[in-house]
Amino acid sequence: DIVMTQSPDSLAVSLGERATINCKSSQSVLYSSNSKNYLAWYQHKPGQPPKLLLYWASTRESGVPDRFSGSGSGTDFTLTISSLQAEDVAVYYCQQYYSTPPTFGQGTKLEIK
Amino acid sequence: QVQLVQSGAEVKKPGASVKVSCKASGYTFTNYGISWVRQAPGQGLEWMGWISAYNGNTNYAQKLQGRVTMTTDTSTSTAYMELRSLRSDDTAVYYCARDKPVSQYYFDYWGQGTLVTVSS
Repeated sequence: DIVMTQSPDSLAVSLGERATINCKSSQSVLYSSNSKNYLAWYQHKPGQPPKLLLYWASTRESGVPDRFSGSGSGTDFTLTISSLQAEDVAVYYCQQYYSTPPTFGQGTKLEIK
Repeated sequence: QVQLVQSGAEVKKPGASVKVSCKASGYTFTNYGISWVRQAPGQGLEWMGWISAYNGNTNYAQKLQGRVTMTTDTSTSTAYMELRSLRSDDTAVYYCARDKPVSQYYFDYWGQGTLVTVSS
C-alpha cells in the first residue's frame, strides 16, 4: 500500500495569513501516460462529512474558494490556503488514488492563532 | 442536487453484524461507484472498500476481507455495507461516498455518516 504522510500534524495560523500543509507519498502517484498526479485533498469539519477540495493534485472542485490551491508532483504535494478565514478551521487530509487501496494521510489539524 | 443519505446510528454487541444503507439521488446511480470510508474516534479516514453500481464489481480492503460485503440495489439507487463479527475497534462513523464506476478515485460527494457503536 502507498503510505501518505502529512506534515505538520497540527498548525496554527493567524486570520488572513497563509497556511501550508504538506503531503508525501511513499511512491510516486504520477501516472506517466497522462501526466496526472492521482492525489486529492479533503477538508473535514467536526460533525460533517469530508469535503473534496482538490483532485489531480491541483484541480479545484466546483464551488471551492480560490484561496485553496494545490501543487506538487510525484511524491511531494502541498495544499495552500492563501488567506486563512475562520471557516477554514478543520482537519485536512490528502488521499492517493494511484493504486488500490486508496490511502489517506493521517490528517493535519488547522487552527486559528 | 447529488445527495447520499445514510441510515441511522446503530449500537451492536461484539460478534454481531451491522448493515448500513446509503440512498443516492440527483444523479444516475449506475454511472458511478460507491466507496465506504470509516473514521474511528480520534483517528483518521480509512477506506473500507468499493462497489461499482455499474457492474457490481467490488474491491475490499485486505484487513476487512471476509467480514465485509458491499451490495447495491439499482432499483432503489441504494448501496449497502454489511460488516460481520463486529469488534470494539469497529466503533466508528461510517461514510459512503460517490466514486468512479470502474475503479477507485477521489470521492466527490459523501453521505452524512452513520455512527456504529460496538459495545457489550
